[in-house]
Amino acid sequence: ETGVTQSPTHLIKTRGQQVTLRCSSQSGHNTVSWYQQALGQGPQFIFQYYREEENGRGNFPPRFSGLQFPNYSSELNVNALELDDSALYLCASSLEGARGAFFGQGTRLTVV
Amino acid sequence: GQQLNQSPQSMFIQEGEDVSMNCTSSSIFNTWLWYKQDPGEGPVLLIALYKAGELTSNGRLTAQFGITRKDSFLNISASIPSDVGIYFCAGLRTGGGADGLTFGKGTHLIIQP
Repeated sequence: ETGVTQSPTHLIKTRGQQVTLRCSSQSGHNTVSWYQQALGQGPQFIFQYYREEENGRGNFPPRFSGLQFPNYSSELNVNALELDDSALYLCASSLEGARGAFFGQGTRLTVV
Repeated sequence: GQQLNQSPQSMFIQEGEDVSMNCTSSSIFNTWLWYKQDPGEGPVLLIALYKAGELTSNGRLTAQFGITRKDSFLNISASIPSDVGIYFCAGLRTGGGADGLTFGKGTHLIIQP
């Protein structure tokens, strides 16, 4: 049990729609990062938030955006959903400068 | 996106056997991490390695950070049924993690009783 919780656990959306996924980080952790995990692959880094600012981003288009709130919880927003966006979306929290991240159970997004 | 080269892709072993898996990269990493992921769950951190040459144990698990900083291995001794799952290596270049973790594709461990 890592203390990182994500909601919802499963979601089905239609191509072209928008989706918001939520994450509550482990108590005291001020850094949140998001990953996309396609079936049979390792997680791919989307972006990281620290002190409510995005401070790192992977190779994902601008339609993937996020927010971090003063209580360190976070949202991932994806606009104009595409079929290839179907994946497990993982949130991970850590302390500033820490080099290990703790993951939530993920949100399974299916785009039809 | 870039992924680490993790091998083997899958392993079929007998309960009680030792397991060895490794991860290589063309780039240098300053931190190596090993995670285990069960179906429908997020990855769980097993071992973190912070210095080249470091050898760290966690119960029956032992991992090493390669001297070149481009590889790492994980050993599991005397495997038991609950070791079944997918094991991922992950590398981190910077201390703050702003460039995120780079993961391998995973090693799927299957144990035959």
